[in-house]
Amino acid sequence: QQQVKQSPQSLIVQKGGISIINCAYENTAFDYFPWYQQFPGKGPALLIAIRPDVSEKKEGRFTISFNKSAKQFSLHIMDSQPGDSATYFCAYNPFAPDRGSTLGRLYFGRGTQLTVWP
Amino acid sequence: GAVVSQHPSRVICKSGTSVKIECRSLDFQATTMFWYRQFPKKSLMLMATSNEGSKATYEQGVEKDKFLINHASLTLSTLTVTSAHPEDSSFYICSARDGERSTDTQYFGPGTRLTVL
Repeated sequence: QQQVKQSPQSLIVQKGGISIINCAYENTAFDYFPWYQQFPGKGPALLIAIRPDVSEKKEGRFTISFNKSAKQFSLHIMDSQPGDSATYFCAYNPFAPDRGSTLGRLYFGRGTQLTVWP
Repeated sequence: GAVVSQHPSRVICKSGTSVKIECRSLDFQATTMFWYRQFPKKSLMLMATSNEGSKATYEQGVEKDKFLINHASLTLSTLTVTSAHPEDSSFYICSARDGERSTDTQYFGPGTRLTVL
């Protein structure tokens, strides 16, 4: 079964600091890698996503870095704010060569609980 | 755009009763919807994939007769928890894939908290 391994499980960062969350995946091709942010009692919200044809994508304070050879991708939150305190999930949608398309389902990491202290 | 709603947001029921949860894509047509279950401080567990007009595909270990899924239109999917028991208490979340945009992006609903007494 395909898996994505996410670390750390919890992260505490001071306001203004950089939060870094890492994910590693198994051997697949042409994947799609979204990151979701979830506040307590709410559904996950799409934060940012990347495809393997680029090594980095930046949207505001959020940056995804992708290392295809290492099968790893990470989320960087610059200038972390208390409002960023939430659980973050990485996910990926693997491509199935025999189908000629993605599987259409997402495999989620276990989540990282981020706490940003003021 | 890409808003998904769920109803109800919270439901409490007695053991043995059935509960229906609705998932709607408000501003796009969702050819595929997904149902997840999430336990406290845990990741999302995919229960089933629902394609409009066809039978849902259930993940291994998920009881089809227990969790009935209907996807009758491009904007609505329902999950019915039949004969609910306390162990079915959980946070249920749906997601929808916009068939006209990226085929990979899933948009999630706000979730439904089910408590079975």
